[in-house]
Amino acid sequence: LAKTTQPISMDSYEGQEVNITCSHNNIATNDYITWYQQFPSQGPRFIIQGYKTKVTNEVASLFIPADRKSSTLSLPRVSLSDTAVYYCLVGDTKNTDKLIFGTGTRLQVFP
Amino acid sequence: DAGVIQSPRHEVTEMGQEVTLRCKPISGHNSLFWYRQTMMRGLELLIYFNNNVPIDDSGMPEDRFSAKMPNASFSTLKIQPSEPRDSAVYFCASRVGTGRETQYFGPGTRLLVL
Repeated sequence: LAKTTQPISMDSYEGQEVNITCSHNNIATNDYITWYQQFPSQGPRFIIQGYKTKVTNEVASLFIPADRKSSTLSLPRVSLSDTAVYYCLVGDTKNTDKLIFGTGTRLQVFP
Repeated sequence: DAGVIQSPRHEVTEMGQEVTLRCKPISGHNSLFWYRQTMMRGLELLIYFNNNVPIDDSGMPEDRFSAKMPNASFSTLKIQPSEPRDSAVYFCASRVGTGRETQYFGPGTRLLVL
C-alpha cells in the first residue's frame, strides 16, 4: 500500500474553495485514491474516490494528474460544518480489503 | 437504514477488567472491520471479517484482544484483561462487496481504562 503525505492542517474561511493535496509517489498501477472525512466524535465518512483525471460528486471534486503521484481534493465554498479531518488513502481497492489511514489534514473553517 | 450500531457508546472500567464492545453492521453488508483510534497512533485497523470469517487479524495488538462474528448481524471485540493503554475510540465499520466499495463507520465506543 502506497504511503501518502498530506498537510497536517489547513485554515480557511467560509465561502472559500479549499484544495487539499495528497502526495503518493509510490502509487501502483492498480491503486485507487480515496478520501474520507471525519468530524469530531464521529467515524470517518467516505467522500470521493478516483483513479485518474477528475471525479466530481455532490460534495467534492478530486483532481488526479496524469502521473498519479499526487491528487487534490477540492471543496467548493466551504462552510463551518466542513471543519473536519480529511484522510487521503491509496490502495489496490480491487484486491485488498484494507484501508490504511494516515494522519490526515485537519481543516478549520472560520466565519 | 440505521447505519452501523455500536454499543456501548462510552465505557469506563478499571485495569484488569474484561471489556466487550459490540457492533451491528448494516443489513446486507458482508464485511466488518474493527478499528482503534488514538491521538498517538491515529486510526488503525485491528481485524476484519468477510462473510463472518476473520480474514486478517494482524492489527490486533496482543492476545488480550479477541474478536468474534457469530453471525452476519453481530460482532464483538473483547479485551481481557484491559490496561490503561487500551484507552481509545473503537470504531466498527461494514461494507458490502469488495475492496472498492465504501466502508460505513459506526459512531464509535469511547473506552477509558483507569
